[in-house]
Formats: sequence, structure tokens, C-alpha cells
Amino acid sequence: GAGVSQSPSNKVTEKGKDVELRCDPISGHTALYWYRQSLGQGLEFLIYFQGNSAPDKSGLPSDRFSAERTGGSVSTLTIQRTQQEDSAVYLCASSLSDSFNEAFFGQGTRLTVV
Amino acid sequence: GQSLEQPSEVTAVEGAIVQINCTYQTSGFYGLSWYQQHDGGAPTFLSYNALDGLEETGRFSSFLSRSDSYGYLLLQELQMKDSASYFCAVRNYGQNFVFGPGTRLSVLP
Repeated sequence: GAGVSQSPSNKVTEKGKDVELRCDPISGHTALYWYRQSLGQGLEFLIYFQGNSAPDKSGLPSDRFSAERTGGSVSTLTIQRTQQEDSAVYLCASSLSDSFNEAFFGQGTRLTVV
Repeated sequence: GQSLEQPSEVTAVEGAIVQINCTYQTSGFYGLSWYQQHDGGAPTFLSYNALDGLEETGRFSSFLSRSDSYGYLLLQELQMKDSASYFCAVRNYGQNFVFGPGTRLSVLP
């Protein structure tokens, strides 16, 4: 596709359930980032993938959060045993490499935990 | 680690000029970027400064002073469509982007 694609666009889940959020980066982009944004707030870094290097997981808020990137392309962010405080917009971005300073963002997945 | 500070809100009228400041503290620095985000939309890249000085892109300009750990985004000839949140971001080489808290710009008629 022409841009970063995220699915689903909206997700409502019950507290305690697991959710998976998907990100398709721009083809050829080796760097992929996940951020979380609560209403009216800034972007909170979650995890960063660069090529075949070990991901930077330093932003994951708890061990309920995990992410993987298969084949250097598609990424999945998994939240286990969701809590109400996990409700936010989850944004994925990609860039051509780690030497480029323009990140392209997807439209995000709005997660609501009820 | 890194931290960035921006004003939370700025208000200006159509046709005016507005400056959004960003100060940062970082253990390493590769450049300062600016992103625009409309309500409900995705952040979009506006500009990037790696070196001191002014970068101009149409109505938008961005400035960086590495010695002062300071930068700003200058928006000229404001239009209603410029009403959005603006984020500065820093990045160390090979690492993730760290975003500021964002400045909400309201453009009044």
C-alpha cells in the first residue's frame, strides 16, 4: 500500500481479554515504531524495530504488552488481560531506515476497554 | 534519557504569525523534527533540523539552536486549517523518536 496501514481501526474489548493490533508498514521501510496516545496527550513510545536487530522494548509499560515483527514487515502488538487504563489510540509508524528522520504514521487503532 | 517541553496551547488569528517553542534535554542528539496532528488524524511530518539555523518550507519554518537545546516552529499567514496539535521530536541515531507533549494551536477567524 501507499501508506502505513493499521487494523482494526477501532476495537472494543472487555476487561481481561487479550487483543492483537496489526501494522503494515510502508514497503521497504526497515524501521517500525509503536506509540500510544491517550486523549489530548502526547505520544508515548512503546517499542521500536530496526531491521534484524533486537527490538527496543524499553517503552512497554508492563509484561502484558508484547510485539513481534515477522519477516521484517508486518508487526503485531499484543495486549494480554486488558485493563481499562489500556484504552488509548495505538499508533504505528515506519521510516526508511534508522538514519532517516521522517516517520510515517498510520491512522491508529482506537482501543476501548470496557 | 530525553525530555522535551512545549507550551500546551497557543491561540492566534487568521493571517497572523505564531511561534511554537520546544526545549529539550537529551543524552544524545541527531536532530529535531516537527509533526502536525489534526484531531482524530495521524501525525504528519513537517520539518527536520539537524544543524543550527532556519529551515523554510512554504509557510512553515523551523529553527534549531543546539547550544541552547532549543528550537521553534514558525507558522506564517495562519489559516483555519492550521488548527491542530504540533509536536516536536528528537532522536538519537538508531533509536526511537521521543515526542514532546504537544502544543494545541487554535486559529481564530
